[in-house]
Amino acid sequence: GAVVSQHPSRVICKSGTSVKIECRSLDFQATTMFWYRQFPKKSLMLMATSNEGSKATYEQGVEKDKFLINHASLTLSTLTVTSAHPEDSSFYICSARDTDRGNYGYTFGSGTRLTVV
Amino acid sequence: RKEVEQDPGPFNVPEGATVAFNCTYSNSASQSFFWYRQDCRKEPKLLMSVYSSGNEDGRFTAQLNRASQYISLLIRDSKLSDSATYLCVVTNDYKLSFGAGTTVTVRA
Repeated sequence: GAVVSQHPSRVICKSGTSVKIECRSLDFQATTMFWYRQFPKKSLMLMATSNEGSKATYEQGVEKDKFLINHASLTLSTLTVTSAHPEDSSFYICSARDTDRGNYGYTFGSGTRLTVV
Repeated sequence: RKEVEQDPGPFNVPEGATVAFNCTYSNSASQSFFWYRQDCRKEPKLLMSVYSSGNEDGRFTAQLNRASQYISLLIRDSKLSDSATYLCVVTNDYKLSFGAGTTVTVRA
């Protein structure tokens, strides 16, 4: 089945530094990838939709200069949390859509637990 | 109003019991409906799709009521391994909207 690889799985960084998270579709091409964040006991909240070769579409309230998204190829999207602060500590999950499988083609990465100290 | 709302639980049930819970969604134009399962500190995994006619997958039965805009999941003969958070998910165009999840704990 479709596999999405997300790295790193866990990262601890100092306030003010930037962190890059990678999301790769391993056995299918994904023109669209999605980035979510999840706080404890809360639902996954869509942050942005990443489109290969074009600018990402951000959800309301998500700072595009804070969360930089690059989708330079059909198999790789990256999320960079710039100038991280403790309130950015969260679980970040990517999802890639295999369009050949329609609405059933969403595969999630294993998530990145970010802790900003 | 949240797009997808779920009873957070927790539902604490003995092995072998039946447990059922619902979720409601606000957008009547939502197109597809799913239940996902999320284990602690893990990514969500698709459990099953939900169809208007109702559908079963082993011990799991899902129902969709479009008129009332709610989705249900029933688990029969609960196993310890069913302990997890169950996420109700609806799609609009290509976007997934998640409920906050219903936590189920099955005890021996």
